[in-house]
Amino acid sequence: EAQVTQNPRYLITVTGKKLTVTCSQNMNHEYMSWYRQDPGLGLRQIYYSMNVEVTDKGDVPEGYKVSRKEKRNFPLILESPSPNQTSLYFCASSFSGNEQFFGPGTRLTVL
Amino acid sequence: GENVEQHPSTLSVQEGDSAVIKCTYSDSASNYFPWYKQELGKRPQLIIDIRSNVGEKKDQRIAVTLNKTAKHFSLHITETQPEDSAVYFCAASGANYGQNFVFGPGTRLSVLP
Repeated sequence: EAQVTQNPRYLITVTGKKLTVTCSQNMNHEYMSWYRQDPGLGLRQIYYSMNVEVTDKGDVPEGYKVSRKEKRNFPLILESPSPNQTSLYFCASSFSGNEQFFGPGTRLTVL
Repeated sequence: GENVEQHPSTLSVQEGDSAVIKCTYSDSASNYFPWYKQELGKRPQLIIDIRSNVGEKKDQRIAVTLNKTAKHFSLHITETQPEDSAVYFCAASGANYGQNFVFGPGTRLSVLP
């Protein structure tokens, strides 16, 4: 089954404790992206990747890191999480930035 | 950078009526405009998209129109049904491979029986 998976789905952590949210797709998509969703603000792009070893900043990259060592995986790293990073995070993938397929979302709470 | 505005933020219609959601964008270089539907607790899913070389696109009860000169595009849903109730997001992108996507803030559509 074609899908985008994210783990964990829910995470409660404390300020400053490094964490990684994994994203994996099995559709051989070149393009992958991370978004955060906050009430009233829609989906805001954090980082995107056009292909392996190619990443670029979206609109809200501060406090986040990503890597794209393999085509199927695109982890999101928060080196020192802060409460303002409490949000719902979505990973997405597509062929060449067209229709994006979203993962199920990761709800992150930073205390 | 690109900025996408979306109106209205909430919309209630009677079942069977039409619904229209409007978006404006700022960057004339944007050339791909998708619409996503997000049901409560679910992930966004593409419902229709349009490219800048097309003025209108239809898919059954859903249509999108694009006015490049005015830099706005609209989603039209006819004969609304209760299952159309959701949050709808418009987006704009350069989308010729690797451009970033900018989404509007969303419209919560409620279809009343």
